[in-house]
Amino acid sequence: DTGVSQDPRHKITKRGQNVTFRCDPISEHNRLYWYRQTLGQGPEFLTYFQNEAQLEKSRLLSDRFSAERPKGSFSTLEIQRTEQGDSAMYLCASSPPWGLPLVIRADTQYFGPGTRLTVL
Amino acid sequence: RKEVEQDPGPFNVPEGATVAFNCTYSNSASQSFFWYRQDCRKEPKLLMSVYSSGNEDGRFTAQLNRASQYISLLIRDSKLSDSATYLCAFNQAGTALIFGKGTTLSVSS
Repeated sequence: DTGVSQDPRHKITKRGQNVTFRCDPISEHNRLYWYRQTLGQGPEFLTYFQNEAQLEKSRLLSDRFSAERPKGSFSTLEIQRTEQGDSAMYLCASSPPWGLPLVIRADTQYFGPGTRLTVL
Repeated sequence: RKEVEQDPGPFNVPEGATVAFNCTYSNSASQSFFWYRQDCRKEPKLLMSVYSSGNEDGRFTAQLNRASQYISLLIRDSKLSDSATYLCAFNQAGTALIFGKGTTLSVSS
């Protein structure tokens, strides 16, 4: 499967614990995005990377949230001291660079299956 | 005004019906527009990009009206398998997508 992958698919944790999620984008996609989705809402943007540079992080929900993409490939999203309100689906998406052969719309984002977080 | 607004529905239609969804956006600088389909507890999947001239893909037609700042999605000859939530989204030049809350469609036999 050459799509976006995310791990784990499900995570149950107790309030106050730290959790880390991983996202592997589609090969050759240089932009990677993190979103959060709660029931009945559309995905809500958190942060994004172009290669290893984090270009937007002001939408991260609090300083308990942080993301990295150290080598410009996979990314991790960490939530420290989880709260029950953090329970949601965390989605990762990637998009290709402009100019890549056969890419028609480089602004199109492709989503991974998500990590469903439950905080007890 | 909210950044993007969608009628949440649900839209309940019989098989074979034609159904249309609208989505309004407030940021006139928005450049790219999309419709995503999301099945229950799954990730959003790209259905269509929306081009200025309008575009069609089989039973699906998308339109963009920049003057009135809305996009639309028309589904003809609805199938049971079209039952899902349809999310509109827009962005500016490769930045974050701004999503609507989604419109739920239920097609019945």
